[in-house]
Amino acid sequence: EDQVTQSPEALRLQEGESSSLNCSYTVSGLRGLFWYRQDPGKGPEFLFTLYSAGEEKEKERLKATLTKKESFLHITAPKPEDSATYLCAVRSGAGSYQLTFGKGTKLSVIP
Amino acid sequence: DAGITQSPRHKVTETGTPVTLRCHQTENHRYMYWYRQDPGHGLRLIHYSYGVKDTDKGEVSDGYSVSRSKTEDFLLTLESATSSQTSVYFCAISEFDLGEQYFGPGTRLTVT
Repeated sequence: EDQVTQSPEALRLQEGESSSLNCSYTVSGLRGLFWYRQDPGKGPEFLFTLYSAGEEKEKERLKATLTKKESFLHITAPKPEDSATYLCAVRSGAGSYQLTFGKGTKLSVIP
Repeated sequence: DAGITQSPRHKVTETGTPVTLRCHQTENHRYMYWYRQDPGHGLRLIHYSYGVKDTDKGEVSDGYSVSRSKTEDFLLTLESATSSQTSVYFCAISEFDLGEQYFGPGTRLTVT
């Protein structure tokens, strides 16, 4: 059974204080790791897909990295508008249509 | 933004009544999904569709049925709503079976 654990559950940062969110996973044959951002009352917004260990992707202040057991979402010099819940999901070879989601990390960036 | 709409956006219904939620897309994507999101749980897949009239069960399908008669519409039906089905329901679409999924705005359903 695929499992995804995100840590921490909640994170408060001062504006400009860089940090990382963690996504640990257990899957039988990774066929994609996905990061989403979710604002209150809205649907998840797609950020990145990573497929193989060593892969990195960047978008503005966000950078996602992948190892064989975990992924990190690095946030550099965050701004208050980066406040949201960040979700991690994996797709395994066992069930290619299904994404298994973690419970998310709620990020608050204080001005 | 992906062209996905969900209706209704909010609904309150009584236990035992049937409820149908609609997902409509304008992207002509082949794959569509229904998820539910509850506090303390990640998003969980209810049903998905890999083409018109082609559907299959997800992780939490009991008590739900789906139909897809057109590429653009995917319906989720609760035949007899229960309080445990109070949740936020999200529709998602993807162009490829292994591609990223794009989510709609959600429907908040309350079963009293």
